[in-house]
Amino acid sequence: QQQVKQSPQSLIVQKGGIPIINCAYENTAFDYFPWYQQFPGKGPALLIAIRPDVSEKKEGRFTISFNKSAKQFSLHIMDSQPGDSATYFCAVIILTGGGNKLTFGTGTQLKVEL
Amino acid sequence: SQTIHQWPATLVQPVGSPLSLECTVEGTSNPNLYWYRQAAGRGLQLLFYSVGIGQISSEVPQNLSASRPQDRQFILSSKKLLLSDSGFYLCAWSYGLDQPQHFGDGTRLSIL
Repeated sequence: QQQVKQSPQSLIVQKGGIPIINCAYENTAFDYFPWYQQFPGKGPALLIAIRPDVSEKKEGRFTISFNKSAKQFSLHIMDSQPGDSATYFCAVIILTGGGNKLTFGTGTQLKVEL
Repeated sequence: SQTIHQWPATLVQPVGSPLSLECTVEGTSNPNLYWYRQAAGRGLQLLFYSVGIGQISSEVPQNLSASRPQDRQFILSSKKLLLSDSGFYLCAWSYGLDQPQHFGDGTRLSIL
C-alpha cells in the first residue's frame, strides 16, 4: 500500500510564481521529512528536510511547511526560476519488519516557464 | 567527503544477455547501500538494500540480483535481461536506513 501520497504529478508555473507540492503520509517511524530534487539524467539530490519541532523551515527560496495533525507537508518554491525545473520527491521514514526505511513519494515534475 | 560512483553511465544490451552494474562509495565505512529503478517520468522503486557485506534484502521479486562483495561495493546483476528491465538504475548510500540517502548519477539501461 502507498505510505506517502504526493501531488500533483506535474506542475507548470511562470517564472516568479510559487509552485507548491504536497505530500500526505499514513504512518511514520520518525518525524523526519526530506525533499529531493532530480534533474534529467541525474540522481536525486537532498534539497531540504524538516524535523517537526518546527512547522516551517526555509532554505533560500525553498520552504517546507508541516502540519503534524493532518499528516501533511509541502514544499514551496519562492520566486521560481527556469533552473528549478526538475522532478521533486518527498520522503518519509516508514517502520517495516526489516527496520525503519526511507520511502519516497511518486514525484512531481515541475516546469518553470519564462 | 563522501562520493558515490556508478558505471557505466549508459548501457545498451540485447535481450537475454547478462548484466553487471557496479556502484562504489568513497569516504565512509559500513554504509547502507541501495539499488533503485526509475522508469521514465516515474518514481523511485527500491529493488535491493544492504546493511553490510554479504547482506542483501530484496524488495520486489524480479529478474535481478544484488551482491555486496566488499564494504563499499554494491553490484546489480542479471543472468538474462528482459525487455522490461530497461530503465534508469540508481545506487544510493546512507549512514542508516532512516538517514538521508545520497544518490549516484545512475545508469541508463536500454534493452533491445
